[in-house]
Amino acid sequence: DSGVTQTPKHLITATGQRVTLRCSPRSGDLSVYWYQQSLDQGLQFLIQYYNGEERAKGNILERFSAQQFPDLHSELNLSSLELGDSALYFCASSSSDVVPSDTQYFGPGTRLTVL
Amino acid sequence: AQSVTQLGSHVSVSEGALVLLRCNYSSSVPPYLFWYVQYPNQGLQLLLKYTSAATLVKGINGFEAEFKKSETSFHLTKPSAHMSDAAEYFCAVTYTGGFKTIFGAGTRLFVKA
Repeated sequence: DSGVTQTPKHLITATGQRVTLRCSPRSGDLSVYWYQQSLDQGLQFLIQYYNGEERAKGNILERFSAQQFPDLHSELNLSSLELGDSALYFCASSSSDVVPSDTQYFGPGTRLTVL
Repeated sequence: AQSVTQLGSHVSVSEGALVLLRCNYSSSVPPYLFWYVQYPNQGLQLLLKYTSAATLVKGINGFEAEFKKSETSFHLTKPSAHMSDAAEYFCAVTYTGGFKTIFGAGTRLFVKA
């Protein structure tokens, strides 16, 4: 158990819909990262937040957005869903934002299926 | 541009045999390198990481990796495979001045009895 929690574990929805994925980092960690894992794209970095502020952006679509709240939990919002958005979405946390050698601790993931 | 290449999407070994998973990186600045393991239906777990302290890094579950700057490689090895090692392994790189971690495509390890 990494200490990172994600809800829900599974999500099934239809095209065009909007969903919210939730992540609670390990106790004491201030950085939260979101990743998308799919068979064709592999593991792709989406976005990072540190203590409520956006720190880095990766291959995140404009239809996707995220935020980190004062209690440090984070939400990833996916809208106008397409079939290709079906994937496993991981959240990870680390203690800092500027230490590149920092270990990221991954949650169990949310499996999103868009029908 | 920084990138990570894992040679072989699938590797199959017999139980007790040597495990060798290959990872090459491309980086114009000193990299920090990681190996993660993902068991079915689980998140990624750190096996080991290179942070410039020592070129031979020992990790959990008997795995180790050697950083070779001249070859831009960070291959993962284990002397004797166990059935419980069957999983997907990811090599990743972060670099000074960057916040993004770039993951390789992953190598699925199969262990035969």
